[in-house]
Amino acid sequence: DIQMTQSPSSLSASVGDSVIITCRASRSIYNYLNWYQKKSGEAPKLLIYAASTLQNGVPSRFSGSGSGTEFTLTINRLQTEDFGTYYCQQSYNTPRTFGQGTNVEVK
Amino acid sequence: QVLLQESGPGLVRPSETLSLTCTLSGGSISPYYWTWIRHSPAKGLEWVGDIYYSGSTYYNPSLKDRLTISVDTAKNQFSLNVNSVTAADTATYYCARRTIVVPHRFDSWGQGTLVTVSS
Repeated sequence: DIQMTQSPSSLSASVGDSVIITCRASRSIYNYLNWYQKKSGEAPKLLIYAASTLQNGVPSRFSGSGSGTEFTLTINRLQTEDFGTYYCQQSYNTPRTFGQGTNVEVK
Repeated sequence: QVLLQESGPGLVRPSETLSLTCTLSGGSISPYYWTWIRHSPAKGLEWVGDIYYSGSTYYNPSLKDRLTISVDTAKNQFSLNVNSVTAADTATYYCARRTIVVPHRFDSWGQGTLVTVSS
């Protein structure tokens, strides 16, 4: 199985801050990397697919980059509605695997 | 926009079978893949398995001996059965849609349903 490791596991930030979350794959997954946002009591939401493509309707303050084994999710000008947990997920092969999540909380 | 809703018992006894159904509204079962994913504090998010609208299945090898995923296109539903459950199967179970174009991603999710395995 391809292991996905996110860092940090949690972070505290203020509205207006920029936040960077890193995701590392245990072997190359090319650009087969997706990012999801999960808020308490809500369904997970696809933010970015193919490492850097913004899903329809997702604000442009979210961006993704990377390829191979190293990927980043950047949130610029953090908004109140952005607090929650973020997960990366590889779709290169089965079993599909997720990172352990990064909790973004209010400082 | 397709909406997905999980349904099924919230409590299952050890060694019995966990059964969940996902019902679609606002969209069609075809021509997509349909997925079950679960989340537990111990394991985080775990892909359980996929089913294509035509019935082909893809299971997580760690679970496949206990899994059955099926689809009912007439009812716009797909279902999950997990046999011989233990406490380790306690999780919030999500159904989701997987795109058919590559790279695959889960672009619509249900709200999730908590299933507890306990006597």
